[in-house]
Amino acid sequence: QVTLRESGPALVKPTQTLTLTCTFSGFSLSTSGLCVNWIRQPPGKALEWLARIDWDEDEYYSPSLKTRLTISKDTSKNQVVLTMTNMDPVDTGTYYCAQSGSSWFSFDYWGQGTLVTVSS
Amino acid sequence: DIQMTQSPSSLSASVGDRVTITCRASQDIINYLNWYQQKPGKAPKLLIYAASTLQSGVPSRFSGSGSGTDFTLTISSLQPEDFATYYCQQSYSTVIFTFGPGTKVDIK
Repeated sequence: QVTLRESGPALVKPTQTLTLTCTFSGFSLSTSGLCVNWIRQPPGKALEWLARIDWDEDEYYSPSLKTRLTISKDTSKNQVVLTMTNMDPVDTGTYYCAQSGSSWFSFDYWGQGTLVTVSS
Repeated sequence: DIQMTQSPSSLSASVGDRVTITCRASQDIINYLNWYQQKPGKAPKLLIYAASTLQSGVPSRFSGSGSGTDFTLTISSLQPEDFATYYCQQSYSTVIFTFGPGTKVDIK
């Protein structure tokens, strides 16, 4: 059974760096073809894909946020970490991690999400 | 980047109605189109991938069709648990994924 769970601070101040951790079970990110993504959703708004890390360490980022994002993985801990620098109130929203496969890159399994509020 | 649009942005329907949601891509994405259902306060759930393949466990009243730039999600007979927001997502560009703006289905 595949499960993912996001963790991190609920509140960050403007200009701070956000660090989120996705802890997963039921699969290994060393398995060929598997990927973990980060996706966010501002309150009442649509989903926005942020970043992806693949089983082979390749990393991909949203062009609009590329300079602020870093994604990494710790295969031994079954974790993927996303850092986002220079947080702004517009970054407020629910952040999800989701597993995808390299066949169709659909987001097959999702965590429950973690709400991050950016406010001073 | 590939842009995704959806229509309508919202609709009101009754239980038992046939509902159709359209998604359009800004360029040919062949059939690299996925559909998700999201209920309030919950994570999205994959319904359909590759434009028309039903994810395991998804009721057969959901179906997807289309190719190229135009795609459709159909609910053949709307059930109470289907009131939700639906998103399409393109995965043709394997380095940048984009979602549509969503279609909210609520009760008439």
